[in-house]
Amino acid sequence: KQEVTQIPAALSVPEGENLVLNCSFTDSAIYNLQWFRQDPGKGLTSLLLIQSSQREQTSGRLNASLDKSSGRSTLYIAASQPGDSATYLCAVRDNDMRFGAGTRLTVKP
Amino acid sequence: GAVVSQHPSWVICKSGTSVKIECRSLDFQATTMFWYRQFPKQSLMLMATSNEGSKATYEQGVEKDKFLINHASLTLSTLTVTSAHPEDSSFYICSAIGASEKLFFGSGTQLSVL
Repeated sequence: KQEVTQIPAALSVPEGENLVLNCSFTDSAIYNLQWFRQDPGKGLTSLLLIQSSQREQTSGRLNASLDKSSGRSTLYIAASQPGDSATYLCAVRDNDMRFGAGTRLTVKP
Repeated sequence: GAVVSQHPSWVICKSGTSVKIECRSLDFQATTMFWYRQFPKQSLMLMATSNEGSKATYEQGVEKDKFLINHASLTLSTLTVTSAHPEDSSFYICSAIGASEKLFFGSGTQLSVL
């Protein structure tokens, strides 16, 4: 059974810092991996989708990488802003979909 | 972009009643829909996976007779919480996948059972 782990569980940084969020999964036979943002009390917003054949995806200040063989993905956020404060989840899709527990990010002005 | 509409956003009901939550893909055909539940300060937990026209696959520990899922068309899936109890109070989220393989989520339903 696929297990998805996210480290750290929480992160607090000053505005402007670059930061990296980590996601690991136990079964490398995946279709894709997706990063989400979740604001309190709301549904998820999809940030980046990486297909199993891809190694990275970029959108604005966000860059996600995928190393399927080692079961790892990172989400890099450049020049963080207070508006980036949210919980970030990664999800792995194989025959099912599994989410990590999330990283709660706080960007302080 | 693709949109998944989930209704209602909030529902408050009395214990013992049934509640139906709808999840619609508005501009794509959703071959697979997922239903998740999230208790406060916890991660989303997959409840069930449904494919159009077939019975839903439930996760271990999820009572299929209590959480009825119907995926009758490529654009609509419903989750019915039967005989709801206070311990069923939670945030329920649906998601859908179509041909793009990208996952799109509904906005969620906060269920409060009194």
